[in-house]
This record gives sequence, C-alpha cells and structure tokens, in this order.
Amino acid sequence: DAKTTQPNSMESNEEEPVHLPCNHSTISGTDYIHWYRQLPSQGPEYVIHGLTSNVNNRMASLAIAEDRKSSTLILHRATLRDAAVYYCILRLPYGNTPLVFGKGTRLSVIA
Amino acid sequence: GAGVSQSPSNKVTEKGKDVELRCDPISGHTALYWYRQSLGQGLEFLIYFQGNSAPDKSGLPSDRFSAERTGGSVSTLTIQRTQQEDSAVYLCASSQGGPRHTDTQYFGPGTRLTVL
Repeated sequence: DAKTTQPNSMESNEEEPVHLPCNHSTISGTDYIHWYRQLPSQGPEYVIHGLTSNVNNRMASLAIAEDRKSSTLILHRATLRDAAVYYCILRLPYGNTPLVFGKGTRLSVIA
Repeated sequence: GAGVSQSPSNKVTEKGKDVELRCDPISGHTALYWYRQSLGQGLEFLIYFQGNSAPDKSGLPSDRFSAERTGGSVSTLTIQRTQQEDSAVYLCASSQGGPRHTDTQYFGPGTRLTVL
C-alpha cells in the first residue's frame, strides 16, 4: 500500500469544523482512500472512504483533490467525543489484506 | 448488533509464561485479523485469516507467536514464553471479506497484555 503523510497532531475548538489533511503523492489510479479513527482506549473504527469524488456520511466528509495526491477529512462540528487519532490509509480495490496504519493525526478538542 | 469481542480485557503474566488471547468476530465475517499496538507505537499487523485459506502469518514477530481459527469463527492468539517486549494491546478485527475498497474492518476493544 502506498505511503500517506499526516500531521502528528491538531487542535480544534468544540463546535468548530475540523479539516484533517493527508498527503498521498504516490497514490495509484486504483487506490481507495480510507479513514479510520481510534478513540482513547478503544480499537479503531471506520470513518469514511472514497476514490475520486467527495463523499459524505453521518460521521464526516471526505474531500479528495482533483489530482488525488491529497485528501481532507472534514468533521463539520467537532465534539469532545471526536478527540481521537485519525488514520488515512490507502487500499487497493482487489484482494483482502490487512490495514497498514501510519502514525495518524492526534486530534484534541477543546471545550 | 454484537460487535467483535475479545477476552480477557487485561492480562498480566510473568516472563516466560504462555498466554492465550481470544477473539470472537462478528457472526458471518469470513476475514479475521490480529494486530498489536505497543505503547506509543502504531498498529502493527500480526496475522490474517480469510475463509478456509491458509492464514497470512507474515506479520508475526517470532515463532513464539501463533494463532488459530476454529470453525471459521473464534480465533486464539497464543504467545509462548512471553517476553517483556510482548507487552502491548492486542487487537482483533473482522470483516465480511469482500473487495478491499469496501471491506470495512470492525475492531474489538483489545486485550492489554502486561509481561512482568
């Protein structure tokens, strides 16, 4: 799986939008962009994924650059419960293999 | 519905002892993964089961580590002759086993292993 680069940490005020960036300059044409997050003392949980078009679900939005070399996970209104480590992961569409986690971005939310 | 469960939630053992960690995946999920997360480290893949295929053991750090999955459901991760560097949170995940781009993995809460 291609490598991703994320900031080590970010901070947000509660009720504010949060934009979590991910660079993946070596992404291939068939790589999907997945986001997982890990809340304190819990296992990771799926957030969202996409290929080319922007995606929205109940948890977040995923904005994908036109050249696909970067993407941004958007939390529209951060809450204290969104404090977690967010992982951006690239996956090929075929086969079944484990997730390859990087260091992720630790998001702190301030009340 | 029921998610992935793991037991025990915490395990303290002495160096040199064997330990067994259990994972109950989501019913019907054909793929099962073991990962570990050491203090301050990222998640590291250990072993992967898919249906009746031979498991992918490429992530196991040494031959002291082994895992089995009985009846395509419950899995047990065994660590023999535990060492202090084995101390970590061991996470299990399961998925439906479909195409990777839609194959969401569901994680259990983990087992925290402490080797004294």
